[in-house]
Amino acid sequence: GAGVSQSPSNKVTEKGKDVELRCDPISGHTALYWYRQSLGQGLEFLIYFQGNSAPDKSGLPSDRFSAERTGGSVSTLTIQRTQQEDSAVYLCASSFPAVNTGELFFGEGSRLTVL
Amino acid sequence: AQKVTQAQTEISVVEKEDVTLDCVYETRDTTYYLFWYKQPPSGELVFLIRRNSFDEQNEISGRYSWNFQKSTSSFNFTITASQVVDSAVYFCALYSGNTPLVFGKGTRLSVIA
Repeated sequence: GAGVSQSPSNKVTEKGKDVELRCDPISGHTALYWYRQSLGQGLEFLIYFQGNSAPDKSGLPSDRFSAERTGGSVSTLTIQRTQQEDSAVYLCASSFPAVNTGELFFGEGSRLTVL
Repeated sequence: AQKVTQAQTEISVVEKEDVTLDCVYETRDTTYYLFWYKQPPSGELVFLIRRNSFDEQNEISGRYSWNFQKSTSSFNFTITASQVVDSAVYFCALYSGNTPLVFGKGTRLSVIA
């Protein structure tokens, strides 16, 4: 596609439910990132994929968070047993293989609200 | 450890005023890149500029200019003659090749007509 696509754009869920957030990167981008943006906070790194592998999972806040990427394209971020503190905007970004430039292309985010 | 500090949480200016957004970074790497991103109300971060650690030459792009000073570990961003469309959250970020892009907490700029 023309840009990074994320779905759903908005998700309201009850505490304890599982949610899945989807990211469709720009075609040809092999690197994919998930960030979380909480109210009043900066962008918190969650996980990074190069192809289908995740060399850096250091940012996942707990074992309730997991992510996968299949076919070197679409990625899914799953949050199990959601808590109110998980409420945030989850941003996905992708980049060209030459990741050393650090330039990321972001989607519009998925806003998660946990009641 | 990599760290980016944007001390200004919110700034309000009147249209046509100049405004400078501050960014201070920390890294032990000698090769790194600094970025500014803009996040308009729509939510999508937009890339503005990238500078590498070996190029301290200041850059100007239209009403935007950037002042990179390694001596003070700063990479400040100035908007000249601000406009309402400049209202957004601006993020400074750091990349050194060993870790993902590290962002500051952002500065919310409001330009009032």
